[in-house]
Amino acid sequence: NAGVTQTPKFQVLKTGQSMTLQCAQDMNHNSMYWYRQDPGMGLRLIYYSASEGTTDKGEVPNGYNVSRLNKREFSLRLESAAPSQTSVYFCASSEQGETEAFFGQGTRLTVV
Amino acid sequence: AQSVSQHNHHVILSEAASLELGCNYSYGGTVNLFWYVQYPGQHLQLLLKYFSGDPLVKGIKGFEAEFIKSKFSFNLRKPSVQWSDTAEYFCATGGYNKLIFGAGTRLAVHP
Repeated sequence: NAGVTQTPKFQVLKTGQSMTLQCAQDMNHNSMYWYRQDPGMGLRLIYYSASEGTTDKGEVPNGYNVSRLNKREFSLRLESAAPSQTSVYFCASSEQGETEAFFGQGTRLTVV
Repeated sequence: AQSVSQHNHHVILSEAASLELGCNYSYGGTVNLFWYVQYPGQHLQLLLKYFSGDPLVKGIKGFEAEFIKSKFSFNLRKPSVQWSDTAEYFCATGGYNKLIFGAGTRLAVHP
């Protein structure tokens, strides 16, 4: 039972490049989330998906897109990376939107 | 909109000292409240949660939190901290199908 799996763990991008962060959970959870963590700012919600087939904007959605591919997978895409998107990204899932979330190990992204 | 405010950004304690970390939330509906811990280099792990019932909640590793509805607060406490409690602590609230986190409190415990 792997829980929440994120790939990659580390990534360096040049400004303007695109990439997709992958996330999969094996707990049959309905809700999935993408957060970014920056020093002094805590975890800020980028996008979330309350159920398969739905996605909604969180606190800081600009510059990102998401896809809830199926119940297990929720990907985050940066279409044109900017240095301001340098951060640690965490994927999480929960049984339903307001219950305990389980987190992946994080992706450390640097945009130069 | 729901929000979470954590009072202290950095706390430094000596081993065996008592800990209290403040958390205030803003949300008009049914309140689900959480405390998470993040040890250096690791992902977030749940310490404890409150959905309803007894407002004093016991969590793992000797932590507890008290839900005070009239103060919109959910403060985290531990009677005697250890060096291994050095970590960042996040308060979170669940509502409107999502979880919102506070800015975090970085705790350093000195031997």
